[in-house]
Amino acid sequence: NAGVMQNPRHLVRRRGQEARLRCSPMKGHSHVYWYRQLPEEGLKFMVYLQKENIIDESGMPKERFSAEFPKEGPSILRIQQVVRGDSAAYFCASSPPDRVMKLFFGSGTQLSVL
Amino acid sequence: SQQGEEDPQALSIQEGENATMNCSYKTSINNLQWYRQNSGRGLVHLILIRSNEREKHSGRLRVTLDTSKKSSSLLITASRAADTASYFCALELGGNKLVFGAGTILRVKS
Repeated sequence: NAGVMQNPRHLVRRRGQEARLRCSPMKGHSHVYWYRQLPEEGLKFMVYLQKENIIDESGMPKERFSAEFPKEGPSILRIQQVVRGDSAAYFCASSPPDRVMKLFFGSGTQLSVL
Repeated sequence: SQQGEEDPQALSIQEGENATMNCSYKTSINNLQWYRQNSGRGLVHLILIRSNEREKHSGRLRVTLDTSKKSSSLLITASRAADTASYFCALELGGNKLVFGAGTILRVKS
C-alpha cells in the first residue's frame, strides 16, 4: 500500500510564476490536508479537503492560493504569482474516513522562489 | 493561540539516557498526538492519547496527558542515535483540524 505521494519533491519558480503542487493520498483515504513549514518551525495548517469539497480553508491566504481535491486524480495546491515569501516546504497528509484523526504525511514539496 | 508549545526547544542527550519533551496548550482539545520528523522528511505519527486518558505506552514511548493543567509529556526511554529528530505535539481540535506546535529538536549522541 503506497504512502502519500507528493510531487514534485523540489520546485523552483521565479517571482510571478505559478506553482502547482500535487498530492495523491493513501488508498482508501478521503481526507486531505495541506500544511506549510518554514525552516525550523512547526507546520502551519492551510486547508482541509474531502473529495470535491473544501471543508476548512481558514489557514490559507485569501489571495493567490487555492486548493482542490477532484473526484478523480490528486489534490492540487496552486499558488499563483509566487513571491519569495512563499518559499517553504509544503506537506500533504491524508487520513481515513473514520473518527480517528491520524494523519499520514507525504515527503513534502520544497518550493524555492527566486 | 490554538497551537501547542513544546518545551524545551532543543534537547541533547547521550545514547541510553531518557528524553522528556513537554507540550502545553491553552484551548480545549479532543485528543492530543505526537509526531516525529526526520530532517527533510514528512511527519510520522507516533502516538495518540484521548482527552479522557491520562497515560499511554507504545514501545519505548510513554505519553501523559493532564487536561486540568493543559499539558502533555512525551518520554523516550533508553534513547538511541536513531531517535535524533524533531518531535511535535499536535492538538486535535473540533472540525477535524490538527494544529502543530513548533517542535522539540532532539539530538542523541552516540
